[in-house]
Amino acid sequence: EDKVVQSPLSLVVHEGDTVTLNCSYEVTNFRSLLWYKQEKKAPTFLFMLTSSGIEKKSGRLSSILDKKELFSILNITATQTGDSAVYLCAVGHSGGGADGLTFGKGTHLIIQP
Amino acid sequence: NAGVTQTPKFRILKIGQSMTLQCAQDMNHNYMYWYRQDPGMGLKLIYYSVGAGITDKGEVPNGYNVSRSTTEDFPLRLELAAPSQTSVYFCASSYSRAESPLHFGNGTRLTVT
Repeated sequence: EDKVVQSPLSLVVHEGDTVTLNCSYEVTNFRSLLWYKQEKKAPTFLFMLTSSGIEKKSGRLSSILDKKELFSILNITATQTGDSAVYLCAVGHSGGGADGLTFGKGTHLIIQP
Repeated sequence: NAGVTQTPKFRILKIGQSMTLQCAQDMNHNYMYWYRQDPGMGLKLIYYSVGAGITDKGEVPNGYNVSRSTTEDFPLRLELAAPSQTSVYFCASSYSRAESPLHFGNGTRLTVT
């Protein structure tokens, strides 16, 4: 069974701190790993990773994939209250003739002023 | 630049009533999806479609039906609403299933009482 596990499930930090969110996976025929940010409404896309060791960066957010150890991390530096959200990890995979996409349960991040 | 449009935004149903959640996308994506999201449980796939005329069950299809008569539209039908269907429903579309980001609609908050 394809599985995506995110940790921690929730995290409370102070503004200015750096946080690291984790996503580990066990899937058949890995194709991609995607990170989303979800505030009050729909998830919005952050990054897609397909190759090990290549960091993707956007402002204070960065992410990297380790396909040997089967995990990814999402780093947020100098956190702001606007970073408070649920961060979702999803893994694209293929097997049995069909592509699939499995989501983790998300990490609920709260940034306190 | 509409993207994925979902209607309605909110709905309250009585047990046993039926309704259709509408979803339309203008990005010419072949793949469309319906997810439900319950607190702390992440996104669960209800149904998906790989193109007009083709639909398939996801993890939690019971109590729902879909159709895909055009590339643009992917309505979700609830026939006999039950309290267990109280949830937030998201429609999404993508270029491919395993290697491209999902574009989400803004969600429908459904309460069944």
